[in-house]
Amino acid sequence: DSGVTQTPKHLITATGQRVTLRCSPRSGDLSVYWYQQSLDQGLQFLIQYYNGEERAKGNILERFSAQQFPDLHSELNLSSLELGDSALYFCASSPRGRSEQYFGPGTRLTVT
Amino acid sequence: AQSVTQLDSQVPVFEEAPVELRCNYSSSVSVYLFWYVQYPNQGLQLLLKYLSGSTLVKGINGFEAEFNKSQTSFHLRKPSVHISDTAEYFCAAMTTDSWGKLQFGAGTQVVVTP
Repeated sequence: DSGVTQTPKHLITATGQRVTLRCSPRSGDLSVYWYQQSLDQGLQFLIQYYNGEERAKGNILERFSAQQFPDLHSELNLSSLELGDSALYFCASSPRGRSEQYFGPGTRLTVT
Repeated sequence: AQSVTQLDSQVPVFEEAPVELRCNYSSSVSVYLFWYVQYPNQGLQLLLKYLSGSTLVKGINGFEAEFNKSQTSFHLRKPSVHISDTAEYFCAAMTTDSWGKLQFGAGTQVVVTP
């Protein structure tokens, strides 16, 4: 158990819908990262937050957005969902000043 | 731009035999390197990391990796595998000018059989 929690574990929704994935980092970690894992693209970095501020962006679609709240939990919002958005979405956190990232168990999103 | 290449998509190995998983990276700046393991239906677990210093890095569960700058490689090894090592293994890199952005390889599926 990494100490990073993600909810829900599974999510099934229809095309065109909007969903919110939630992540709580390890106690004391200020950085939160979101990754997408799909069969065709592999593991891809989406976005990073540090203490509420966006720090870095990767291959994140404009239909996707994220935020980190004052209690440090983070949410990833996916809208106008397409079949191709079906994937595992991981959240990770890291201690201040450290490079290693600790991953949560992931949310499996299925878009039908 | 950086990239990470895992040369084998699947590695079958017998129990108690050694295993080596190959990883090559490319980057024009300094990199930090990591190996993660993903067991079925689970998240990624950090096995080991290389930041600087000794090129031989020891990790959890008996794994070790060697950083070779001239060959731009970071191969993962275990001298004797168990059935429980069956999993997918990911090599990842982070450059010093893209702090936080882990670039992953495509993964290597290790299947350990008795």
